[in-house]
Amino acid sequence: DSGVTQTPKHLITATGQRVTLRCSPRSGDLSVYWYQQSLDQGLQFLIQYYNGEERAKGNILERFSAQQFPDLHSELNLSSLELGDSALYFCASSVGQPGTSEFFGPGTRLTVL
Amino acid sequence: AQTVTQSQPEMSVQEAETVTLSCTYDTSESDYYLFWYKQPPSRQMILVIRQEAYKQQNATENRFSVNFQKAAKSFSLKISDSQLGDAAMYFCAYRTDMNRDDKIIFGKGTRLHILP
Repeated sequence: DSGVTQTPKHLITATGQRVTLRCSPRSGDLSVYWYQQSLDQGLQFLIQYYNGEERAKGNILERFSAQQFPDLHSELNLSSLELGDSALYFCASSVGQPGTSEFFGPGTRLTVL
Repeated sequence: AQTVTQSQPEMSVQEAETVTLSCTYDTSESDYYLFWYKQPPSRQMILVIRQEAYKQQNATENRFSVNFQKAAKSFSLKISDSQLGDAAMYFCAYRTDMNRDDKIIFGKGTRLHILP
């Protein structure tokens, strides 16, 4: 158990819908990262927050947005969902200092029908 | 931009034998960090080992060790005494030392099969 929690574990929805994925980092971690892993693919970095502020942005679609709240939990919002958005979405957390290791949550499996 | 390449999509090894997974990367930076992550069928991402580029000594964690060749930009993972539980997807990853852009870049992974 990494100490990072993600809810829900599974999510099934229809095209055009909007969903919110939630992540709670390990105690003491200030950074939260979101990654997308499509079927049999590597992980694609989406976005990072550090202590409530956006720090780095990857290949995140405009339909996707995220935020980190004062209690440091983070939410990833996916809207106007398409079939291709079906994937495993990981949240990871770290202390947020250079080179510190990231610890991953169990992921949320999103299926768009 | 930094890239990470894992040239072996799949590998197999006999139980109790030793296997080496390859990883190369491209960067113009001198300070950075390298990682190996394991993803078993449960899909959980588990940190296996990490290496700081400024350290010449290769990292080891029990049966897992790395061969870090900075000049060659190579970072291979050696698994000794392979066990059935080692069967998983293994991802090599790179992190810059830049404070404002410290995302991890992952390779595409190597699927490791353990033969009983």
